[in-house]
Amino acid sequence: GENVEQHPSTLSVQEGDSAVIKCTYSDSASNYFPWYKQELGKGPQLIIDIRSNVGEKKDQRIAVTLNKTAKHFSLHITETQPEDSAVYFCAASPNSGNTPLVFGKGTRLSVIA
Amino acid sequence: DVKVTQSSRYLVKRTGEKVFLECVQDMDHENMFWYRQDPGLGLRLIYFSYDVKMKEKGDIPEGYSVSREKKERFSLILESASTNQTSMYLCASKRNMIGGEKLFFGSGTQLSVL
Repeated sequence: GENVEQHPSTLSVQEGDSAVIKCTYSDSASNYFPWYKQELGKGPQLIIDIRSNVGEKKDQRIAVTLNKTAKHFSLHITETQPEDSAVYFCAASPNSGNTPLVFGKGTRLSVIA
Repeated sequence: DVKVTQSSRYLVKRTGEKVFLECVQDMDHENMFWYRQDPGLGLRLIYFSYDVKMKEKGDIPEGYSVSREKKERFSLILESASTNQTSMYLCASKRNMIGGEKLFFGSGTQLSVL
């Protein structure tokens, strides 16, 4: 089955700097890669996703890149703000079939003002 | 807006008690999931259901069971709670099992077993 590794487990950045979180996956059949953000006291929420026919996707200050050959994908947050402080989870799954998402272990991002 | 509601935010139970965690979604989603979240271990799938009265084991089903009698409601049952089941439990739903569909999560139930 799929295995998703996520690094780093914790990340501290100064406000305004960029943050990068990296994930690798094992199953070459996976072709859907979402990122979830979990704020304190809340459940995770989808912030961006990418499918394997796309190499990069951007949404304002957030971007995700995918390298299918190397089986890794990354989340990039630019111009970080205190409200970006949260736990971020990457995940992977086949784009079809009865297979639930497999999540990474999460990254706790702290943005220091 | 879409909503997944978990019945309790905090729950304290004693070892050996039978515990019910309830989850309701208002989106007419076919699929519902129960995850357990522990520091350093991320989100681990306990059970999921892709239809009423259907259930599938996830990665860590031992010590748990589930019930889905109605489409909108998915219950997680701890038959005899143990201290190692102290954890944050998250319910989620999505429209169907086709990959690439957004998961909607509840706010979680922090369960403490004493």
